[in-house]
Amino acid sequence: ETGVTQSPTHLIKTRGQQVTLRCSSQSGHNTVSWYQQALGQGPQFIFQYYREEENGRGNFPPRFSGLQFPNYSSELNVNALELDDSALYLCASSSGGISGELFFGEGSRLTVL
Amino acid sequence: SQKIEQNSEALNIQEGKTATLTCNYTNYSPAYLQWYRQDPGRGPVFLLLIRENEKEKRKERLKVTFDTTLKQSLFHITASQPADSATYLCALKGGYQKVTFGTGTKLQVIP
Repeated sequence: ETGVTQSPTHLIKTRGQQVTLRCSSQSGHNTVSWYQQALGQGPQFIFQYYREEENGRGNFPPRFSGLQFPNYSSELNVNALELDDSALYLCASSSGGISGELFFGEGSRLTVL
Repeated sequence: SQKIEQNSEALNIQEGKTATLTCNYTNYSPAYLQWYRQDPGRGPVFLLLIRENEKEKRKERLKVTFDTTLKQSLFHITASQPADSATYLCALKGGYQKVTFGTGTKLQVIP
């Protein structure tokens, strides 16, 4: 069984640039969620995808967008990067069941200069 | 608005003792309460969950209680070990809604 993998693990961008983060979900999981975690804070929900459709979104502006592919892998895109976007971006997959246990990747550490 | 509170101060405990972490919530009626462990620079790891109609759940040295009247969960690690040192996150889920996390409590087990 393959766990959740994310790429890249670290990246540095400058303000105004765009970034794409990638996630492969755990085998058998059809739901992917993305979270942003600032230093010393808990993960903040960005959005969730179920069978290629966005089915939940947190309090993030439209410049945060995503995709889910037929193999359930996913992308998070952030346009017009701001300094406050510097954070650990976590992808989590789940089976879509109501109890919703999440299985996280190791995250992508984004630094915006 | 929904709020999940965990002790922001680190909890230091002697090896072998029981560590007890608290999670309080307001403006929420979760169907499930989950606990995760997070090591520095790593993604959270799911530990266990408890349903709203369950009072207590155990898994090896871990025990979780869930009091929907007090809107509180307690997370216990018995016979704590230095390897248990990490940040522990409480998370709530209602129905098919998103999973919402607290800020976490950092536990340090001192040999």
